[in-house]
Amino acid sequence: IAGITQAPTSQILAAGRRMTLRCTQDMRHNAMYWYRQDLGLGLRLIHYSNTAGTTGKGEVPDGYSVSRANTDDFPLTLASAVPSQTSVYFCASRSGSTQYFGPGTRLTVL
Amino acid sequence: DAKTTQPPSMDCAEGRAANLPCNHSTISGNEYVYWYRQIHSQGPQYIIHGLKNNETNEMASLIITEDRKSSTLILPHATLRDTAVYYCIVRATNYGGSQGNLIFGKGTKLSVKP
Repeated sequence: IAGITQAPTSQILAAGRRMTLRCTQDMRHNAMYWYRQDLGLGLRLIHYSNTAGTTGKGEVPDGYSVSRANTDDFPLTLASAVPSQTSVYFCASRSGSTQYFGPGTRLTVL
Repeated sequence: DAKTTQPPSMDCAEGRAANLPCNHSTISGNEYVYWYRQIHSQGPQYIIHGLKNNETNEMASLIITEDRKSSTLILPHATLRDTAVYYCIVRATNYGGSQGNLIFGKGTKLSVKP
């Protein structure tokens, strides 16, 4: 059982570059989420999708975009990365009231 | 803001029970208490949740006070691998048009020591 996979595991990115973080789940969950985790700030919601074809903004959406073309995939795109987007990014899916998290992507923007 | 209050850190001896408290004095009637944990450098992991009755699964037990204003997560025989940050979250199950996301506070850093 794979659950949720994220890629890449880590990435160093030059400021101004475009980057897509990948998230795939094999549990057929409708709802999916992207969080970022920063030291001292906990996990904060970036974007979410309640079902394929729909997306919504979370607490900190600026500088990020998402798409949900199908149930399994929920990529997060940074159109033009900035150093403040250095963080650990977690993707999650929800079944009922329980969320399942991926292993995370550690992104450093220089 | 998170609706829960947890101690920032706790220690527990290996093999002993770890009792992690959580205060949620403003909990509403339709809100559940959830516990997640995050082991260093990993994604958060679901542990258990409950409404008002005590709950037990293969990982832990959840004791909720009768007035539902506080709860305790119990790891009956803590191991070194249980060292993690434990998050107590209150959340309603009626998502409706809401985001359905979890709001994480700072949690309790549990250190299990040999």
